[in-house]
Amino acid sequence: DAGVTQSPTHLIKTRGQQVTLRCSPKSGHDTVSWYQQALGQGPQFIFQYYEEEERQRGNFPDRFSGHQFPNYSSELNVNALLLGDSALYLCASSLGPVFYEQYFGPGTRLTVT
Amino acid sequence: AQRVTQPEKLLSVFKGAPVELKCNYSYSGSPELFWYVQYSRQRLQLLLRHISRESIKGFTADLNKGETSFHLKKPFAQEEDSAMYYCALSKKGAQKLVFGQGTRLTINP
Repeated sequence: DAGVTQSPTHLIKTRGQQVTLRCSPKSGHDTVSWYQQALGQGPQFIFQYYEEEERQRGNFPDRFSGHQFPNYSSELNVNALLLGDSALYLCASSLGPVFYEQYFGPGTRLTVT
Repeated sequence: AQRVTQPEKLLSVFKGAPVELKCNYSYSGSPELFWYVQYSRQRLQLLLRHISRESIKGFTADLNKGETSFHLKKPFAQEEDSAMYYCALSKKGAQKLVFGQGTRLTINP
């Protein structure tokens, strides 16, 4: 089991563009959470998906949206990119939306120029 | 508001010396507290959670509700303990984690 996988590893976008990041959860996991980690900061919770629905959301604008597919994989979409969106985006998966340990992926490094 | 504060961005100790990484939190209620660790070139992983009361890799952490602290301790540091450490909290049973800024621990030989 490769654990949580994320793609791409890194990418560069221009301000105003849109980006889609992808996450495949650990085998057997059905819940995916997304975090943003700016340089020198701890991860910040963006949202959580379970049963293909957004269950919890952090303090992020509507430009950040997501989706979960029937195979439990997930996408994070960011519209109208700002320079401040440059960060490492982490995906974490778990068995269920409560109580269970979250396993993190390696992250996608997004640079907005 | 939920907040986790790790006052030390960098901490350097010698091998064999005791190590303590500080974590203070603010939360209205009874949170769950965690320590996550990220070793060089590895992904973020759970080190321990207060509810399990385990000792992992020689590390322990005691939740002090009066001082709202959850400091991580190890009596004798090892070189392989060098890593980035994050303290985090969540509402009981929930998975939305609130992380501190992290402390980079370096163990000198």
